[in-house]
Amino acid sequence: QVTLRASGPALVKPTQTLTLTCTFSGFSLTTTGMCVNWIRQPPGKALEWLARIDWDDEKYYITSLKTRLTISKDTSKNQVVLTMTNMDPVDTATYYCARTRFDNSGWSFDYWGQGSLVTVSS
Amino acid sequence: QSALTQPPSVSGSPGQSVTISCTGTSSDVGSYNRVSWYQQPPGTAPKLMIYDVTNRPSGVPDRFSGSKSGNTASLTISGLQAEDEADYYCSSYTTSSTWVFGGGTKLTVL
Repeated sequence: QVTLRASGPALVKPTQTLTLTCTFSGFSLTTTGMCVNWIRQPPGKALEWLARIDWDDEKYYITSLKTRLTISKDTSKNQVVLTMTNMDPVDTATYYCARTRFDNSGWSFDYWGQGSLVTVSS
Repeated sequence: QSALTQPPSVSGSPGQSVTISCTGTSSDVGSYNRVSWYQQPPGTAPKLMIYDVTNRPSGVPDRFSGSKSGNTASLTISGLQAEDEADYYCSSYTTSSTWVFGGGTKLTVL
């Protein structure tokens, strides 16, 4: 059974750095083709893909936020961490982690975590 | 990495069919058959409904179908039911090895 859970602070101040953790089970990030993504959704707005880390430690970022994002993994703990620097109120959103498998079963976000609401306010 | 273009809203009566379009570019939708669709009722995480343009995951009713022509993908829901009321998002893999989402479409079942 595949599960993912995003966790992190509910409130951060402007200019601070946000650290989010995705803890997953039911698959391994050492398996060829496995990836974990971070996706966010401001209140009442659309989904926005942020970053992805692959089984081979390749990392990809949305161009507009590339300088502020860092994604990493700890395969021994089944965790993926996203850090976002210089937080601003416009970064207020629910942050989701989701799995992708680059294999014959199709390329998509097949499992999602429940989301972690982060509010940026002083 | 501009967002894919979806209509903000669509509506239909129970039993009818609706189609939601998703327009991208030759750098995303037009380049790969890697378009997926997600259903998101209020307050919940998105759920995968269609992957690789036309494929349904196990458990998704066959009332949901997908297609693509050029830079535009489409999701069709036939035999509308009240439980289909939700926001729908398309997503595509891109030539930059990243992903992009659409702006979302609110489906109202009248």
